[in-house]
Amino acid sequence: ETGVTQTPRHLVMGMTNKKSLKCEQHLGHNAMYWYKQSAKKPLELMFVYNFKEQTENNSVPSRFSPECPNSSHLFLHLHTLQPEDSALYLCASSLGRGDRRTNYGYTFGSGTRLTVV
Amino acid sequence: AQSVSQHNHHVILSEAASLELGCNYSYGGTVNLFWYVQYPGQHLQLLLKYFSGDPLVKGIKGFEAEFIKSKFSFNLRKPSVQWSDTAEYFCAVNGNNRLAFGKGNQVVVIP
Repeated sequence: ETGVTQTPRHLVMGMTNKKSLKCEQHLGHNAMYWYKQSAKKPLELMFVYNFKEQTENNSVPSRFSPECPNSSHLFLHLHTLQPEDSALYLCASSLGRGDRRTNYGYTFGSGTRLTVV
Repeated sequence: AQSVSQHNHHVILSEAASLELGCNYSYGGTVNLFWYVQYPGQHLQLLLKYFSGDPLVKGIKGFEAEFIKSKFSFNLRKPSVQWSDTAEYFCAVNGNNRLAFGKGNQVVVIP
């Protein structure tokens, strides 16, 4: 375990379904991120939350909707996805912007393997 | 925004061979540099990092990387690989509090 827990590990959903991905960390981090990992592409940053506030939306389609109720939890709500959205979705956490402690990089979860059919 | 380039996406080599993976980035400001590794079916793990000081950084499992500021490079090396080093390796650059990744290098070590 990395300290960042993602559920479910695998998800198969139809294009008309609504589902949510969950990410949880208890590392004392205040920044949380969603990344998309597709084959043969760099890891794509989707959303950034810093102290529960969304600070970055990297031109992500509205069918992906993030939610960060507190610094330890992050959700990604999915609806009316397309087959090309099939990918590994990774959650990460780090010390937040403005935190004076030294940033030792990001801690990643194991990811949710999403297949849209 | 910063960008990261990794070349030779697929690398195949024999055990005991030396490995070097190139990483170049573009960002004009101060950066923190990382190499992550993803073993088959596992999560991304931090291999090593550079923040400041000695540009030659030692990481886990015998890996090292050298930051050459003038070349905007942070190449990863291991003198003698093992079969267990088969994995995907990602270079990442954190500039302006935003972590950007390269496309990764798929490394296969043949016993």
